[in-house]
Amino acid sequence: EDKVVQSPLSLVVHEGDTVTLNCSYEVTNFRSLLWYKQEKKAPTFLFMLTSSGIEKKSGRLSSILDKKELFSILNITATQTGDSAVYLCAVEVNNNDMRFGAGTRLTVKP
Amino acid sequence: NAGVTQTPKFQVLKTGQSMTLQCAQDMNHEYMSWYRQDPGMGLRLIHYSVGAGITDQGEVPNGYNVSRSTTEDFPLRLLSAAPSQTSVYFCASRRTRDEPYEQYFGPGTRLTVT
Repeated sequence: EDKVVQSPLSLVVHEGDTVTLNCSYEVTNFRSLLWYKQEKKAPTFLFMLTSSGIEKKSGRLSSILDKKELFSILNITATQTGDSAVYLCAVEVNNNDMRFGAGTRLTVKP
Repeated sequence: NAGVTQTPKFQVLKTGQSMTLQCAQDMNHEYMSWYRQDPGMGLRLIHYSVGAGITDQGEVPNGYNVSRSTTEDFPLRLLSAAPSQTSVYFCASRRTRDEPYEQYFGPGTRLTVT
């Protein structure tokens, strides 16, 4: 059975801290791994990773994939209150299906 | 561009009632899908469509029907609502099946079945 596990489930930090969110997976037919940010409503796309060891970066956010150890991390540096959200990891297992993790709820306190 | 729209935003049903959740996109996307999001379980794929007239089942299809008569619309029908279908439902679309990074989600419908 395909499985995507995120950790921690929730995290509380203060502004300026750096956080690392984890996503591990066990799937039969890996195509890509995606990270989303979900604030109050719909998830919004952050990164898509297909190759090991290549860091994707956008401002203070970065992500990397390890296909040998079957995990990805999402780093956020110099966190701000606007980073408070649920961060979702999803693995595309074929052309038509994505398996999501339960998400990590990040709270950034002023 | 309105993107992906969903109606209604909230709905309360009694057990056994049926209803249709509406989803529309104005981006001429071929691929559309429905997810449900439950606490502690992430999003799970219910049904998807790769084009008008073509639909298929996802991970959790039981109790739901879909049709795709036009490119724009992809309604989700609950045949006989059950409390286990209490969830937040998201519709999503992307240009083709091969572009998951270009997936856009609607704002969601919060459904409660009593």
